[in-house]
Amino acid sequence: DAKTTQPPSMDCAEGRAANLPCNHSTISGNEYVYWYRQIHSQGPQYIIHGLKNNETNEMASLIITEDRKSSTLILPHATLRDTAVYYCIVRVMAPPYNAGNMLTFGGGTRLMVKP
Amino acid sequence: ETGVTQTPRHLVMGMTNKKSLKCEQHLGHNAMYWYKQSAKKPLELMFVYSLEERVENNSVPSRFSPECPNSSHLFLHLHTLQPEDSALYLCASSQALLGTYEQYFGPGTRLTVT
Repeated sequence: DAKTTQPPSMDCAEGRAANLPCNHSTISGNEYVYWYRQIHSQGPQYIIHGLKNNETNEMASLIITEDRKSSTLILPHATLRDTAVYYCIVRVMAPPYNAGNMLTFGGGTRLMVKP
Repeated sequence: ETGVTQTPRHLVMGMTNKKSLKCEQHLGHNAMYWYKQSAKKPLELMFVYSLEERVENNSVPSRFSPECPNSSHLFLHLHTLQPEDSALYLCASSQALLGTYEQYFGPGTRLTVT
C-alpha cells in the first residue's frame, strides 16, 4: 500500500473551509484514497473515498490531483464539532469475500477549528 | 450512532481478573474487527473476522482472545493483562462482500489495567 504524508496539525476558523492535504506520491493505479476522522475519545468515522474523480457527499469533498499523487479533503464550512484527527489512507480495493478489509492508520492531521 | 455498540464503555480490571468486551453491530455487515488505541499512538489492528472466520491476528498476545459467535457479535476475552494493555479498544464492522474499506466503528471501551 502507498505511504501517505499529512501535516501533523492545522487550524481553521469556524465557518471557513478546512482544506486538509495528503501526499501519496507512490500511489498505484488501483489504489483508492480513503478519509476517516476521529473525534477525541471516540471511534473513527468514515468520511469519503475516491479513486481519481473528485467526490462529494454530505460531509466533505475529496479533490484528487490528476496525477493522483496528492489529494485534499475539504470541509466547506468547518464547525467546532469538526475538531478531530483526520486520517488519509490509501488501499487497493479488496476483492469480494476478501479475508478482511484491513485499514492501517497513520498519525493523521489534528484539525483544530477555532471560534 | 454508527450502528455499532460496545459494552462496557469503561472497564477497570486487575492483572489477575478475567473480563470480556462485547461488540454488536446492527448494520447487516459480515466482517468485524478489533483495534487497540494506546495513548498518543495510531490505531493498531488486532483481529479480523470475515464471514465469522478469523482471518487476521496481528501477533497479538494470547492474553487477548477473540470470539465471533455470529456475524452480529464480537467479543474480546481478557485475562492476566498487563498495565501496558490499558488503552481504548475499538470494534468496527464492514461489508466484506463489497471489498471496500468503509468501516463503521463503535464508541470504544476505555480499559484500565491496575
